[in-house]
Amino acid sequence: QKEVEQDPGPLSVPEGAIVSLNCTYSNSAFQYFMWYRQYSRKGPELLMYTYSSGNKEDGRFTAQVDKSSKYISLFIRDSQPSDSATYLCASASGGSYIPTFGRGTSLIVHP
Amino acid sequence: EPEVTQTPSHQVTQMGQEVILRCVPISNHLYFYWYRQILGQKVEFLVSFYNNEISEKSEIFDDQFSVERPDGSNFTLKIRSTKLEDSAMYFCASSVRTSGGGETQYFGPGTRLLVL
Repeated sequence: QKEVEQDPGPLSVPEGAIVSLNCTYSNSAFQYFMWYRQYSRKGPELLMYTYSSGNKEDGRFTAQVDKSSKYISLFIRDSQPSDSATYLCASASGGSYIPTFGRGTSLIVHP
Repeated sequence: EPEVTQTPSHQVTQMGQEVILRCVPISNHLYFYWYRQILGQKVEFLVSFYNNEISEKSEIFDDQFSVERPDGSNFTLKIRSTKLEDSAMYFCASSVRTSGGGETQYFGPGTRLLVL
């Protein structure tokens, strides 16, 4: 069962662009939604963590969850070359905090 | 800032050999995890560990796998008889659950295992 789906990309944008990364999920039990950033050959690094629907902002990053459409988004404002990485979305249910990961979207921000 | 560490960073082994992957979780964390990521594929959950016992495991975590917390700081994953398909990046993670519910897991840098 493909529970969390992401377009693998790559997504290539110029420096300063607004980036929109998206995921869909199928499990209605998911209540926790995460975005991780993973640089090549490194471990995932937690960027954003949200509970249920709504928006959460942290600096240049905004996470958005729409539970009615089972859609998760991450927006990056004023993107920088250092933002170039793979972005993994993940979801977990309240009964188990084990995240189910998407495949990741590769983002390239070119100067 | 505290972080999860893993050793070795790379491990090459022959099929059928035993390997032990080591992790030092963040010191005040109580929940520990192992994940794997086969090249180009999703990060997959293997096992979670709390209070010195396995709390959840996936279908991947069969009898060839075991975990242990041999002392107050280390957390290990043992693969008894490695197969070619065990070649992957193995990530350790640790977390502490908040009073408001939910948790955030912090991942180590991974051990790249290659089985020949």
